[in-house]
Order: sequence, then C-alpha cells, then structure tokens
Amino acid sequence: NAGVMQNPRHLVRRRGQEARLRCSPMKGHSHVYWYRQLPEEGLKFMVYLQKENIIDESGMPKERFSAEFPKEGPSILRIQQVVRGDSAAYFCASSPTEGTGEQFFGPGTRLTVL
Amino acid sequence: DQQVKQNSPSLSVQEGRISILNCDYTNSMFDYFLWYKKYPAEGPTFLISISSIKDKNEDGRFTVFLNKSAKHLSLHIVPSQPGDSAVYFCAATQGGKLIFGQGTELSVKP
Repeated sequence: NAGVMQNPRHLVRRRGQEARLRCSPMKGHSHVYWYRQLPEEGLKFMVYLQKENIIDESGMPKERFSAEFPKEGPSILRIQQVVRGDSAAYFCASSPTEGTGEQFFGPGTRLTVL
Repeated sequence: DQQVKQNSPSLSVQEGRISILNCDYTNSMFDYFLWYKKYPAEGPTFLISISSIKDKNEDGRFTVFLNKSAKHLSLHIVPSQPGDSAVYFCAATQGGKLIFGQGTELSVKP
C-alpha cells in the first residue's frame, strides 16, 4: 500500500510565477490536509479537504492561495504570484477518518522562490 | 497565539538512557494528542497518541503521559537509541486539523 505521494519534491519559481503542488492520498483515505513549515518553525495547518469539499481553510492566507481535492485525481495546492516569503516546505497528509487525529504525511514539496 | 508549545529546542541524551520530551498546551478542548518524529527532508512519521480521557499510553519503548490539570504531556523513550535522533513534534487535534508545537531536536549519542 503506497504512502502519501507528493510531487514535485522540489520546485523553484521566480517571483510572480505560479506554483502547483500535488498530493495523492493513501488508498482509501478521503481526508486530505495541507501544512506549511517555514524555516526554523513547526508545521502550520493550512487547509483540510474531503472529496470536492473544503472543510476548514482557516490557515490559508487570504490571497493567492487556493486548494482543491477533485472527485478524480490528486489534491492541488495552488499559489499564484509567488513571493520570497512563500519559500517553505509544504506537506500533505491524509487520513481515513477525522476521528483520532492520526494523519499520514507525504515527503513534502520544497518550494524555493527566487 | 501558540496553543501547543515545546520549550526545549534541543535535547542530548546518552544511548541507553531515558529521553524525556515535554509539551505544554493551552486549549482544554483538544481531543487527542500525538507525537511525530521527523528526519530532515522527510515528512513527519506518527509515533504514538493519547486520548484526552486517558493519562498514559505505551507502545514498546515509547510512553506518552498526559497531565490534564497541568495541560502538559511528555514522551518517554526508554532505552534511547542513536536511530532515535530526529526532531520530535507534539501535536493536538482540533476539528480534524493538527496543531503542532515547534519541535525538539533529540540527539542520542553512542
């Protein structure tokens, strides 16, 4: 059973470009979460999605960031017009249910904005 | 507003001894508390969790203790091994999402 897959593992963008980060949850998992880790900090929650629905986006910046988890295909975290402060590691996690909190994390995408 | 805090950025322990990692929280409504281990350039890996209605949970070398009155939890690793060297994050659940502490880097020396 494959784990959570994220791609790309590394992404370099220039200021003003768009970044698209993809996440395929574990088989059978319908809950997807995105977290961001800035340098020297812990992981910060961004958004929680189920298939075709955003459940909680309280951690998403108000502008330039969006997320989706379509009926078919991976979850996408999209950052428009990237700025240097967006440079971070972005982790996706999945779980089969919401209950006990255990989430399985992918390896992360390291975004560098030049 | 940091709801989950790990006040020790680093901890160094001799192989075979006990490692104790600490975590404090402010929100008494958290349902579950979890510990994750993270190596550089990898995602966090789940270690152990505890429900807010319990005070202890054990899994092999790992034991988590919860003191609700003090809003404090700790992870004990006995005996510590060099392969345990990593960053350890405590986390709490809130409506499905995880609230993480800042992490403690554990170094286990041979």
